[in-house]
Amino acid sequence: DAKTTQPNSMESNEEEPVHLPCNHSTISGTDYIHWYRQLPSQGPEYVIHGLTSNVNNRMASLAIAEDRKSSTLILHRATLRDAAVYYCILSHNNNDMRFGAGTRLTVKP
Amino acid sequence: SQTIHQWPATLVQPVGSPLSLECTVEGTSNPNLYWYRQAAGRGLQLLFYSVGIGQISSEVPQNLSASRPQDRQFILSSKKLLLSDSGFYLCAFGQAAARGYTFGSGTRLTVV
Repeated sequence: DAKTTQPNSMESNEEEPVHLPCNHSTISGTDYIHWYRQLPSQGPEYVIHGLTSNVNNRMASLAIAEDRKSSTLILHRATLRDAAVYYCILSHNNNDMRFGAGTRLTVKP
Repeated sequence: SQTIHQWPATLVQPVGSPLSLECTVEGTSNPNLYWYRQAAGRGLQLLFYSVGIGQISSEVPQNLSASRPQDRQFILSSKKLLLSDSGFYLCAFGQAAARGYTFGSGTRLTVV
């Protein structure tokens, strides 16, 4: 399985942008890049996904490197409710979602 | 709309007792279904997945089993629980490869 590498934790100030990095140097051409987040005592929540082009939705933006070996999840204005564990996952057949440890994001008021 | 229901929300069971957790999906047909477990402070571990009725793939050997008696029903079972079975159990469904998963609200199981 293709692996991803994320920092264990990050901190941000409220109302500032947050850039969460993910390295996936062994990504294959058919792997989608998915991001999920998990709030305390809840199941993971889909955030965004992409293949090659940058993606935007109401929750976040996904910037994908040209060689696809890394990506960055961008939260444009962090709120206290964005404090969660963020997972970056590669998947090509939707039966291979393997969640790593993720990045624990702390948002300071 | 597509929804997923998982129950119970919390469960405390003695060691050696049986387990049955149920997950149902609405608003979609022939979904892929998944059971994950999350130990305290840890990441999610994929336990089982199913691509159709009666089709179960197991990711890790353990004393748990899964069944899919109906298209939108996924059941996680154990005949005899161990202390190490404690954790947060999550059911999820997915369809097209690009669309990702939708997770249920989870069952927090404590084996005492």
